[in-house]
Amino acid sequence: EAQVTQNPRYLITVTGKKLTVTCSQNMNHEYMSWYRQDPGLGLRQIYYSMNVEVTDKGDVPEGYKVSRKEKRNFPLILESPSPNQTSLYFCASRMAGGGRRGVNEQFFGPGTRLTVL
Amino acid sequence: AQKITQTQPGMFVQEKEAVTLDCTYDTSDPSYGLFWYKQPSSGEMIFLIYQGSYDQQNATEGRYSLNFQKARKSANLVISASQLGDSAMYFCAMRPSYSSARQLTFGSGTQLTVLP
Repeated sequence: EAQVTQNPRYLITVTGKKLTVTCSQNMNHEYMSWYRQDPGLGLRQIYYSMNVEVTDKGDVPEGYKVSRKEKRNFPLILESPSPNQTSLYFCASRMAGGGRRGVNEQFFGPGTRLTVL
Repeated sequence: AQKITQTQPGMFVQEKEAVTLDCTYDTSDPSYGLFWYKQPSSGEMIFLIYQGSYDQQNATEGRYSLNFQKARKSANLVISASQLGDSAMYFCAMRPSYSSARQLTFGSGTQLTVLP
């Protein structure tokens, strides 16, 4: 089954304790990205990656790091989490290139609900 | 920069009736794609419909249609014959060009409630 997986699905942590949220896709997609969702703000892009070892900042990258050492994996790292990073996080992937809907469709993971105390 | 505006934080519709969810956008790119996603209470993001900026016809997918008015920069979602299962948050989103690596820009969403 084609899918994007994220782990953990739920996480409660404390300020300053480093954490990693994993993301993996099995569709051989080139593009991957991370979003955070906050009430009234919709989804905002944190980081995105065009391929292995190629990453770039999105709209809200402060306080986050990413890496893309393998095509299928795109972990999100919070080196020193703070309460304002409490949010719902989504990983997503899609094929590179243009075209009709099927090519452009973005596949989302199930989300990770993070609470930083 | 791209911007998506959804001015309806919440909407109510009677079961079996049609409903229109508004979306306006702003972009300087000549080519772009517009998307609608559904997010039920379980939290996952479900792709509904896509419209390319150069598509001549409005997109349709089953009970969903996109009323695309390019000159007005609007991309409203129309849901016909609403069902109770349509109750969810709906997001409008766009990407600047067909082949851009830049990911989606989302609106703030509209919470739709379908009444029995």
